[in-house]
Amino acid sequence: GAVVSQHPSWVICKSGTSVKIECRSLDFQATTMFWYRQFPKQSLMLMATSNEGSKATYEQGVEKDKFLINHASLTLSTLTVTSAHPEDSSFYICSARDRDRGGDEQYFGPGTRLTVT
Amino acid sequence: SQKIEQNSEALNIQEGKTATLTCNYTNYSPAYLQWYRQDPGRGPVFLLLIRENEKEKRKERLKVTFDTTLKQSLFHITASQPADSATYLCALASYSSASKIIFGSGTRLSIRP
Repeated sequence: GAVVSQHPSWVICKSGTSVKIECRSLDFQATTMFWYRQFPKQSLMLMATSNEGSKATYEQGVEKDKFLINHASLTLSTLTVTSAHPEDSSFYICSARDRDRGGDEQYFGPGTRLTVT
Repeated sequence: SQKIEQNSEALNIQEGKTATLTCNYTNYSPAYLQWYRQDPGRGPVFLLLIRENEKEKRKERLKVTFDTTLKQSLFHITASQPADSATYLCALASYSSASKIIFGSGTRLSIRP
């Protein structure tokens, strides 16, 4: 149980285009999902916290107009990187909390490798 | 400023020995601390959670200790195996924002046969 999927697993896009990444909780409902970014050989950096039906809370230094987050249902959150640039190339990982378990554990997706050319 | 440090960037030990990883933090009032395993190109996998009022937690070959006086957690893998080779991340959630966790930089553990 507690499986989180991400789609796509990798994507290459041209500079200036937008890319959407989906995060789904497959066998549980998640009121809260988190989006992280990880650069090579570095740790995960929290970008934003996404609550179902409300606006996301962004961490300091993360541009909300560039990284659009939508948490439209209890099983789906999306991250859209708008007007992508090469410096946005990174590994994007989402995680989710199981609403019914009520615990503090976060279940992570497999990640999405974004390369902007 | 708040900081989480995992002292060793890399640790290389012989199969069968106990691997001990360290996580230190400053300027935090942690509600709980977690350890995760991350394999290359994959998302982290939850291993153990220990709360600030707990001293020790065990799960199979894994043991975590939490010393809020020293502001330190130790993560032990006993009878280590090559399959345990991965990057191990510690993560903290503070009382001020218990809903989100902040990660340390990780320790890359290699177990040689």
